[in-house]
Amino acid sequence: DAKTTQPNSMESNEEEPVHLPCNHSTISGTDYIHWYRQLPSQGPEYVIHGLTSNVNNRMASLAIAEDRKSSTLILHRATLRDAAVYYCIRATLPTYNQGGKLIFGQGTELSVKP
Amino acid sequence: EAGVAQSPRYKIIEKRQSVAFWCNPISGHATLYWYQQILGQGPKLLIQFQNNGVVDDSQLPKDRFSAERLKGVDSTLKIQPAKLEDSAVYLCASSSDSFKNIQYFGAGTRLSVL
Repeated sequence: DAKTTQPNSMESNEEEPVHLPCNHSTISGTDYIHWYRQLPSQGPEYVIHGLTSNVNNRMASLAIAEDRKSSTLILHRATLRDAAVYYCIRATLPTYNQGGKLIFGQGTELSVKP
Repeated sequence: EAGVAQSPRYKIIEKRQSVAFWCNPISGHATLYWYQQILGQGPKLLIQFQNNGVVDDSQLPKDRFSAERLKGVDSTLKIQPAKLEDSAVYLCASSSDSFKNIQYFGAGTRLSVL
């Protein structure tokens, strides 16, 4: 299964915006793009997802390129509690013989400096 | 709403021993997933259940791993016999909508095989 590509790590300053990039050049037309984050010693937590249009929710914004080969997760004001590993994920739809899947890549470890 | 419960949180065994992990999903969630997360990597799907039936177990090493969800609620994952390379965090997730595929994860069980 083709995975997404992200930088291994990024740094941010507290209360500044953070843009986390992701490449998914082999994504199929029906795959959704999901973002989850994982805090130390916890399971992944859903952040946001989208297909073609940009999406906003209370946690973040998701900007998807017109050709869908890349996307960017935007945290508008980083806090210390946002320090985590952020995963950009291909989410496949269920088919007649297989369930829908989340295909995780390596993730980006975000550190936030006070 | 209670989250996904997993136990134990930690387990240390010697190679060739057996081990079992337990998961109780969010009430009413029909879809349950088991993932393996090796240190420094993203989670990898092992098996997916829809109610008490297996939807996808293509990545489950069936010579040593088994899983069941007999009554369509809680689930157990077993490894018998364990190998050194099974050292990982085993995550359980559940979802109410396999099309939207928003998954809720437990905190995981950290397994160390010595």
